[in-house]
Amino acid sequence: DQQVKQNSPSLSVQEGRISILNCDYTNSMFDYFLWYKKYPAEGPTFLISISSIKDKNEDGRFTVFLNKSAKHLSLHIVPSQPGDSAVYFCAAGDNTDKLIFGTGTRLQVFP
Amino acid sequence: EAQVTQNPRYLITVTGKKLTVTCSQNMNHEYMSWYRQDPGLGLRQIYYSMNVEATDKGDVPEGYKVSRKEKRNFPLILESPSPNQTSLYFCASSLWASGGANSGANVLTFGAGSRLTVL
Repeated sequence: DQQVKQNSPSLSVQEGRISILNCDYTNSMFDYFLWYKKYPAEGPTFLISISSIKDKNEDGRFTVFLNKSAKHLSLHIVPSQPGDSAVYFCAAGDNTDKLIFGTGTRLQVFP
Repeated sequence: EAQVTQNPRYLITVTGKKLTVTCSQNMNHEYMSWYRQDPGLGLRQIYYSMNVEATDKGDVPEGYKVSRKEKRNFPLILESPSPNQTSLYFCASSLWASGGANSGANVLTFGAGSRLTVL
């Protein structure tokens, strides 16, 4: 049972436009969410996080929105740049020792 | 440079031949974990360790062993590899303050990955 789902395996966006990556979860006990970015031949790197007590967190071009009632979070990248082309994983955690990762969305930003 | 180092980066082996993937971190992190990445399945946790001599199963532990004799090292052992263990493996570490995932300290630092092929 996939507790964290990224239903779009891939996304293609033109440079300068907004990229929106979505993530849904089923476990209402999750109270901390993170996004990681992964380039080919490298490990995932932390991008941005949000606690369940917030509905928005912003860091430069990256904003994460959390809708707890819908059990949905999204990552907005504005403006998108070619260097943003990567696989993005969302992850969710609770007060235990585990992080549950989604299946990933491959973002391609074209000129 | 703060990092997680895993070796080998690439390995092709045959069914049943024991192998070990090493993982070492230089950040004095308490928490270490192994993940495997497979197409369409994302990152799944194999084993994790909260500290020395404290290890626990993740979501897909079958066929794997780990040990944590020193804080910096967390090797992944495949006693008798099988083709379904062909995958991309990542080691990760973090400070993992008390309170679980809902803590600003609990950001994982990943190694560069080890691609394993079992024939």
